Amino acid sequence: AQSVSQHNHHVILSEAASLELGCNYSYGGTVNLFWYVQYPGQHLQLLLKYFSGDPLVKGIKGFEAEFIKSKFSFNLRKPSVQWSDTAEYFCAVSISSNTGKLIFGQGTTLQVKP
Amino acid sequence: DTAVSQTPKYLVTQMGNDKSIKCEQNLGHDTMYWYKQDSKKFLKIMFSYNNKELIINETVPNRFSPKSPDKAHLNLHINSLELGDSAVYFCASSPTAERDSPLHFGNGTRLTVT
Repeated sequence: AQSVSQHNHHVILSEAASLELGCNYSYGGTVNLFWYVQYPGQHLQLLLKYFSGDPLVKGIKGFEAEFIKSKFSFNLRKPSVQWSDTAEYFCAVSISSNTGKLIFGQGTTLQVKP
Repeated sequence: DTAVSQTPKYLVTQMGNDKSIKCEQNLGHDTMYWYKQDSKKFLKIMFSYNNKELIINETVPNRFSPKSPDKAHLNLHINSLELGDSAVYFCASSPTAERDSPLHFGNGTRLTVT
């Protein structure tokens, strides 16, 4: 069955540190890839997405992700985190062409210390 | 203006009861979803409707019955609630059911069954 794995369950960083959150998926066909963020007490919001073209995609708030097809990976990065980046981060993949169904990873809790 | 709104935000009830969660979106989207987030924060799709038509029905007990009176609303009715139903239920919508259509989430309904 198709699945998404996020390797880091809980990450603690100091402000200005660099961030990389891992995401791997298991599916050999065409995929669309997403990162969603859930700030404390808020709903999930789209951070960035990959559909096709340049495998390096830029999202909101200085986040970026790189799609490496050979590694089935879509890691999220940010060069310098801020306290306000404290949140849950979810990687998701869409494989179905006509249902919009997303398969989510188990999420990564990011805690940024001021 | 809230794009995807769910009510109630919190729901505490006893085993065996029947309860409903309502969802409305004012984005003009064609497709709506219900996702369940368990205690480990894992998000899993339950149902999806496209223009009031059911297009995804994952392996969910038939105690759960979605209803879409129009494409702006998707309600979830749960009969004979069980302890294992305790979770956060997220409603979401997307412009279409295509693979590249990002989801917009509601704030979630935290259901606690005692």
